[in-house]
Amino acid sequence: DTEVTQTPKHLVMGMTNKKSLKCEQHMGHRAMYWYKQKAKKPPELMFVYSYEKLSINESVPSRFSPECPNSSLLNLHLHALQPEDSALYLCASSQSYNEQFFGPGTRLTVL
Amino acid sequence: GDSVTQMEGPVTLSEEAFLTINCTYTATGYPSLFWYVQYPGEGLQLLLKATKADDKGSNKGFEATYRKETTSFHLEKGSVQVSDSAVYFCALSARSNDYKLSFGAGTTVTVRA
Repeated sequence: DTEVTQTPKHLVMGMTNKKSLKCEQHMGHRAMYWYKQKAKKPPELMFVYSYEKLSINESVPSRFSPECPNSSLLNLHLHALQPEDSALYLCASSQSYNEQFFGPGTRLTVL
Repeated sequence: GDSVTQMEGPVTLSEEAFLTINCTYTATGYPSLFWYVQYPGEGLQLLLKATKADDKGSNKGFEATYRKETTSFHLEKGSVQVSDSAVYFCALSARSNDYKLSFGAGTTVTVRA
């Protein structure tokens, strides 16, 4: 299995809602990433987990809360988001700092 | 810090035309270089990679050669198809930057039948 899967594919939420994005990989990769991508821009790194521990937080607002329950799963908990947080959220994984493999993304709209 | 510069788009081509997208980089040490492709409404797919000087990455008819002397990693395809319409990102990963991917701005390519 060489896939990174993400759910849901689309998500619409209000500014007072709490929701979660999920990511899963079964390639045995030890690093997992969350990115945010605005239209026509490259992805921006948000968080990196290495061996299930948070290793990089790119100064992301606390309304985004990552979680890595095990080596195959990565969650991103969302709370009190703003309309400007609407974007494509991409998950990726990699093994030993080699190339990263991306999931299809979750298209988030905050109303 | 590490950075990638890509030729600006958009690029519009006819089917069977030759495609080149220029990419140059600045990095400390010896980065790994990648081309990612993003089709409309999808995530990024790794198109090809090169990890040391003079390596040539190739996939689906696309090629790119890691040129240390010119710090370049230009993407080429000899005969494009409508299905190659996408956004192409050049990227690098280096130990000096904790192996985080540094992306270029992306180049939108449209191929017309």
